[in-house]
Amino acid sequence: KNEVEQSPQNLTAQEGEFITINCSYSVGISALHWLQQHPGGGIVSLFMLSSGKKKHGRLIATINIQEKHSSLHITASHPRDSAVYICAAEVNDMRFGAGTRLTVKP
Amino acid sequence: DAGVIQSPRHEVTEMGQEVTLRCKPISGHNSLFWYRQTMMRGLELLIYFNNNVPIDDSGMPEDRFSAKMPNASFSTLKIQPSEPRDSAVYFCASSLGARETQYFGPGTRLLVL
Repeated sequence: KNEVEQSPQNLTAQEGEFITINCSYSVGISALHWLQQHPGGGIVSLFMLSSGKKKHGRLIATINIQEKHSSLHITASHPRDSAVYICAAEVNDMRFGAGTRLTVKP
Repeated sequence: DAGVIQSPRHEVTEMGQEVTLRCKPISGHNSLFWYRQTMMRGLELLIYFNNNVPIDDSGMPEDRFSAKMPNASFSTLKIQPSEPRDSAVYFCASSLGARETQYFGPGTRLLVL
């Protein structure tokens, strides 16, 4: 079993829909990272959080330390949000989930 | 700021050849990370440096891989000899500190024939 599990693996949504991507981990972490990888391959760090919730524009990330679970939410999704979203658990190193491929259709 | 700079962006080489990947972190950042991404294994941390010192190289696959950071503005990842299974995208990232937001370079796409 992977130490970091993401769900769903693939997600297709219509423009405007509310999106939730989930990440569960089995290790003790110092922080949880959410990354976005664009279709061209570039990687952008979206959030780094160790407790509670963070918001940036239409993106919200939450984490529940007790349940070892984090969620990434996208409100009012747009086709430009189409990307692979990767969560990573920071232990002494970084343990990555397999990614969630999001496609938002106009 | 130009962001994290990696070179080359693409590299095609033959099995057995030496490959050197280069990274220039964002000025002022003290931590530098090397990652590898493949279809089979996803993203993997290979090694990271803090203040030019290698902190954790447990992700380096084998002795054919080596990484150096001779100064705060430059790092290399070397593969010698290269093998087809080393084909991947190699990302470099930097951050202000070891537990800060990381900024990724554009990656080097390596193909070993």
